[in-house]
Amino acid sequence: DADVTQTPRNRITKTGKRIMLECSQTKGHDRMYWYRQDPGLGLRLIYYSFDVKDINKGEISDGYSVSRQAQAKFSLSLESAIPNQTALYFCATSDTRSYGELFFGEGSRLTVL
Amino acid sequence: GQQLNQSPQSMFIQEGEDVSMNCTSSSIFNTWLWYKQDPGEGPVLLIALYKAGELTSNGRLTAQFGITRKDSFLNISASIPSDVGIYFCAGGMNYGGSQGNLIFGKGTKLSVKP
Repeated sequence: DADVTQTPRNRITKTGKRIMLECSQTKGHDRMYWYRQDPGLGLRLIYYSFDVKDINKGEISDGYSVSRQAQAKFSLSLESAIPNQTALYFCATSDTRSYGELFFGEGSRLTVL
Repeated sequence: GQQLNQSPQSMFIQEGEDVSMNCTSSSIFNTWLWYKQDPGEGPVLLIALYKAGELTSNGRLTAQFGITRKDSFLNISASIPSDVGIYFCAGGMNYGGSQGNLIFGKGTKLSVKP
């Protein structure tokens, strides 16, 4: 089983719908992240959390919200999806002692029609 | 915000060729990293560099932390088909007690020559 698991892997939805992407990890890391990948734009940070009570906005947080339900779970929500949120979304984890080493999930491809 | 310029954006490789790519920044970083993303998967860390001038190898991959701390280079020797994918550079600042978030380049896509 993957150390960082994302669900769903693929989702097609309509404009205005609420969508939740979930992430769970078995690595025991305190730090969790949500990134967005668009062709030609690389990886951009949406939100990050250094522990259960710590939530921080990243570079592109507008239109998104997150919840850290437990050390192992970090979910990303789109309250009212719009077409330009169509992208590949990645959850990642890291250990404080290994700066820069992120462990990514396999990604969730979201299409907003 | 900070940006990393990664080049080339894409390249085609023929098995056996050496490959070079680089990443430049307008800001100084004290950590440079290189990730690879295989099709349908998340990025995986290849090499981490923590000191200006450092040269580090991982099999056929060699990466260097530029002496100015504003650039980094990745070389792949004797490429093989499984080297195809997207390579991302990332820069960050680690002050020990304070760790900045990584800034990622836009990626270099390696494909096989038709």
